[in-house]
Amino acid sequence: AQTVTQSQPEMSVQEAETVTLSCTYDTSENNYYLFWYKQPPSRQMILVIRQEAYKQQNATENRFSVNFQKAAKSFSLKISDSQLGDTAMYFCAFMNPGVSMEYGNKLVFGAGTILRVKS
Amino acid sequence: GAGVSQSPSNKVTEKGKDVELRCDPISGHTALYWYRQSLGQGLEFLIYFQGNSAPDKSGLPSDRFSAERTGGSVSTLTIQRTQQEDSAVYLCASSFYRGGYRGANTEAFFGQGTRLTVV
Repeated sequence: AQTVTQSQPEMSVQEAETVTLSCTYDTSENNYYLFWYKQPPSRQMILVIRQEAYKQQNATENRFSVNFQKAAKSFSLKISDSQLGDTAMYFCAFMNPGVSMEYGNKLVFGAGTILRVKS
Repeated sequence: GAGVSQSPSNKVTEKGKDVELRCDPISGHTALYWYRQSLGQGLEFLIYFQGNSAPDKSGLPSDRFSAERTGGSVSTLTIQRTQQEDSAVYLCASSFYRGGYRGANTEAFFGQGTRLTVV
C-alpha cells in the first residue's frame, strides 16, 4: 500500500521569507501523481500544485514550486515570498492511476503540516 | 453545480442516534471520495466510488458506517448508533476520471465538509 509521510507537524516563517515543507512517499509504481493541498482555517481544501511522475520538470505555480526527486521518493513544497494568507495546514497527497479500477485512483494523504506565517 | 456541496454544514446529534451526511459532487465527475478529519489532524480515507465499479470501502472504521451513491451522482454517508469518537469533520471530494489503460482522475475538488458533533 502507498504511504505518504510529512515529518514536520508545524512550521513558522516570517512574512516575505521562503519556507520548504517536506513530503516523502512510498510506492513501487512508476506512474503516479502527487499533489499539495492547502486547508486554511475556513476548512476548504484547495489544490496548490500538482506533479505527474513521468514529468522531470518540477511544477511551479506563481510563488509555489516543488522539488520532485523521484528516485528518493521526495516531493517538497517551496513557498517563496510568504504571505499571511499562506497560513494554513498543508497536505501532501499521492494518487496511483493504476491499471485497474480496483487498485488505482485513490488519493492517499499525509498527516499534514501546519504553517504559520508571522508578520 | 459550481462546486462540491455538502449538507448539513454542521450537525449535532445525541449518542446512539443515526445520522446521514449528503454530498453533491461536481456535475460530470465520476469519482467521489469521503474522508474524515478529526480536529487538527490529517485526512482519514473512508470510501471511494468510481463510476459503476464496486466502491472501495476499505477505510470504513466499523459496520456502523455505510455509504451509497445513487445514479452516479449524489452520495450519502450514514453513521448508525453514533458514538462520541465519531465526532469529526466529514469531507467529500469529487474528480473526473480520464479513462484509458493508464487513466487517472484529475485532482480532487473538496466540499466544505460537515462538522459532526456527538453529545
